[in-house]
Amino acid sequence: EADIYQTPRYLVIGTGKKITLECSQTMGHDKMYWYQQDPGMELHLIHYSYGVNSTEKGDLSSESTVSRIRTEHFPLTLESARPSHTSQYLCASSDPPNRIANTGELFFGEGSRLTVL
Amino acid sequence: KNQVEQSPQSLIILEGKNCTLQCNYTVSPFSNLRWYKQDTGRGPVSLTIMTFSENTKSNGRYTATLDADTKQSSLHITASQLSDSASYICVVSDRGSTLGRLYFGRGTQLTVWP
Repeated sequence: EADIYQTPRYLVIGTGKKITLECSQTMGHDKMYWYQQDPGMELHLIHYSYGVNSTEKGDLSSESTVSRIRTEHFPLTLESARPSHTSQYLCASSDPPNRIANTGELFFGEGSRLTVL
Repeated sequence: KNQVEQSPQSLIILEGKNCTLQCNYTVSPFSNLRWYKQDTGRGPVSLTIMTFSENTKSNGRYTATLDADTKQSSLHITASQLSDSASYICVVSDRGSTLGRLYFGRGTQLTVWP
């Protein structure tokens, strides 16, 4: 059972609102990730972090921003939500690389489903 | 272009039957291949991870195979149960960087009927 938590699980908001999706893990992992997933489509990496004060943009262009002030927290913020932001957002963390997997084992949260009206 | 293709897109089987899901990839240089199970509305959960030197790995009723020469993998589910209904995602990692870039397939949606 992975110790990585996301809140809220579901969120419905109006256009123009600012929202923050929370992600926290208690496994002490340095690497954390945010993915965006639409129905029937592959996961797309939108942000990642190697550790505290380290954040990078992923492959999919996103208007969201992230911060990593503490190892366990990796929140994602949308300053002004639009209907195009409607999607499932998945947070993940990975343990150190090992002999088997150069990225380590990847653990996902339950996801935050965002609907912007 | 590095890609991961999964087939079939969706599959319906009866409870107790076996099934096999396919994954073809073009990722290079190859590092490892993972299979994840994602229940509706939940996050993906890891089933298996295989490196190029492994050609089969089991996790209970799930058995994954890997042919690194043909760049193909399969996930075989034995004696399916209703709880196996989920999306099964194939993920391939390259070894071109220390981060290890991950390439996701779109998943196979499996439905098990009683």
